[in-house]
Amino acid sequence: TQLLEQSPQFLSIQEGENLTVYCNSSSVFSSLQWYRQEPGEGPVLLVTVVTGGEVKKLKRLTFQFGDARKDSSLHITAAQPGDTGLYLCAQAPGTYKYIFGTGTRLKVLA
Amino acid sequence: EAGVTQSPTHLIKTRGQQATLRCSPISGHTSVYWYQQALGLGLQFLLWYDEGEERNRGNFPPRFSGRQFPNYSSELNVNALELEDSALYLCASSPGKVVGGGTSAFFGQGTRLTVV
Repeated sequence: TQLLEQSPQFLSIQEGENLTVYCNSSSVFSSLQWYRQEPGEGPVLLVTVVTGGEVKKLKRLTFQFGDARKDSSLHITAAQPGDTGLYLCAQAPGTYKYIFGTGTRLKVLA
Repeated sequence: EAGVTQSPTHLIKTRGQQATLRCSPISGHTSVYWYQQALGLGLQFLLWYDEGEERNRGNFPPRFSGRQFPNYSSELNVNALELEDSALYLCASSPGKVVGGGTSAFFGQGTRLTVV
């Protein structure tokens, strides 16, 4: 069973700071997705990365897929209170079980 | 294009009753996934349906079951409800198996089940 570990579990930072969260697996991903979830809502897809070494940018968010496709990172530049939420990584749907990481709960203080 | 829709949005049941939750996937998506998310916790995989068949299930007791209909919509049934079944139940859909990966799954807003 492929396990996804995310770190850190909790992160509380001041507005304007930078941060990085990580997603690591014991196995190779065929592709990986990042989601953000706000309380009481369903997760919203941020990005899908497919190729080892791939880097994708979404405004102040930078997603990187490891060369070996066993890890990924999400870097947020100049965090804002609107970035607050639960960040989840998941491996490709439709392959085995669509498993999610444990999540990183981010709080950005104004 | 309509997203994933779930109904009802809220459901209150008494311990021992049965609950039925519904999910309509994005048009063209054949895979439906169900998750349980207890308050403040991550997503626990429940069930995966594709092309009308159950492809995999998570580590949940048999009183959690479901089905997928010919139009790819899905139901999740929870029998003999227990207090600890109170959670947000999320449904996601994807285009199903894609060679080489790179496909995406999208979530509904969830059904908040409260067992009293």
